[in-house]
Amino acid sequence: DVKVTQSSRYLVKRTGEKVFLECVQDMDHENMFWYRQDPGLGLRLIYFSYDVKMKEKGDIPEGYSVSREKKERFSLILESASTNQTSMYLCASSLAGQVWAGELFFGEGSRLTVL
Amino acid sequence: AQSVTQLGSHVSVSEGALVLLRCNYSSSVPPYLFWYVQYPNQGLQLLLKYTSAATLVKGINGFEAEFKKSETSFHLTKPSAHMSDAAEYFCAVSDLAPPNFGNEKLTFGTGTRLTIIP
Repeated sequence: DVKVTQSSRYLVKRTGEKVFLECVQDMDHENMFWYRQDPGLGLRLIYFSYDVKMKEKGDIPEGYSVSREKKERFSLILESASTNQTSMYLCASSLAGQVWAGELFFGEGSRLTVL
Repeated sequence: AQSVTQLGSHVSVSEGALVLLRCNYSSSVPPYLFWYVQYPNQGLQLLLKYTSAATLVKGINGFEAEFKKSETSFHLTKPSAHMSDAAEYFCAVSDLAPPNFGNEKLTFGTGTRLTIIP
């Protein structure tokens, strides 16, 4: 089975802290995604990557950056966390050419609280 | 750009009753549409998908959805609800379809939380 692992299920950070959310997949997928999930807003795409060292902005990239130095790992970085970034963050991966078929595999999520 | 609208952020049905979750899409090209399910404290998993083959699509756990172009809809149904169906359900649309691969991504709706009443 494909496994997408998000390193932290729950995090509590202070305003202004730098936050790293890590995601690792074990199926050699080319595509990786970071979504943010908020009640009433559904999933919104922050950034995605279709290859190592490649990144593309999604719909809400402001306040975030990403890093993909290795194919299996995609990190989401909050340079200076703010309270409005309190949310559930979901990582997903997919083989190249399979997103159109809905073949995304999701991690269990990282719930971030910024105080 | 493609988008989906889910009508009803919360739906409650009695155990054994019909489940109907609504999704309408907006697309300038023939869409590829999906339903995902998120059980409590878990990530999303694909429930079913429409990719221009049969308009009535069957998925896991007895769910099905019908693509209706005239109504721009892709509603999710299940004849008889079980307690284990309690979850959040997301409709999604694919941004690109073959042969136009590239920076593929999915756009999700706002979700519908399904509660089953014993």
